[in-house]
Amino acid sequence: SYVLTQPPSVSVAAGQTARISCEGDNIGAKSVHWYLHRPGQAPLMVVYGGRDRPSGVPDKFSGSTSGNTATLAISSVEARDEADFYCQVWESTDDCPAFGGGTKLTVL
Amino acid sequence: VHLEQSGGGLVQPGGSLTLSCTASGFTFSDFWMTWVRLTPRRGLEWVANIKPDGSEKFYVRSVKGRFTVSRDNTKNSVYLHMTSLTVDDTGVYYCARDLNTMTTWWFDPWGQGTLVNVSS
Repeated sequence: SYVLTQPPSVSVAAGQTARISCEGDNIGAKSVHWYLHRPGQAPLMVVYGGRDRPSGVPDKFSGSTSGNTATLAISSVEARDEADFYCQVWESTDDCPAFGGGTKLTVL
Repeated sequence: VHLEQSGGGLVQPGGSLTLSCTASGFTFSDFWMTWVRLTPRRGLEWVANIKPDGSEKFYVRSVKGRFTVSRDNTKNSVYLHMTSLTVDDTGVYYCARDLNTMTTWWFDPWGQGTLVNVSS
């Protein structure tokens, strides 16, 4: 199975840019999708296809992919951005989705 | 576009439970639908999905033979019938709409989640 590795936690000062990584073998060749999840709420897609945003998602969320790392950047972070973030790809070998372990974003 | 979930709760090991998910705001019968769970041990894990007409269903290996995904397009609803439940099945279960291209799938929107607690 395809393994996606995320840091368990990322902390960043309010107003700064948070960067959350997602590592996987040659992930640069895959489409990476990112979800925001606040406990008790429905997960929300913030980036799909590596860098596209669904309508209604602010442009403070941006995605990029290179080599073995995908990155979700969140600019001008504020307290309401605190959440768990998950990356996801479609694993063609097993023909099913693979999720990263999730990263908890804390705004200082 | 909205998914509303119901079902879930406390069940003993070996027991059964059925989750429901009702869609609104889009043409339900045009889309694959998925179940994903969030467990303490495995994080987010895809569980199962079902083709728009219900003719194809796929499951993660750990639930094959125990879980059954179904849908009723006349009710805009998808279901997950779970049997032979174990403590490892404990978690929050989400339904989600599948979106895809030729090479990738993703999920949007998601339901609010429902807790399944398998405990004696």
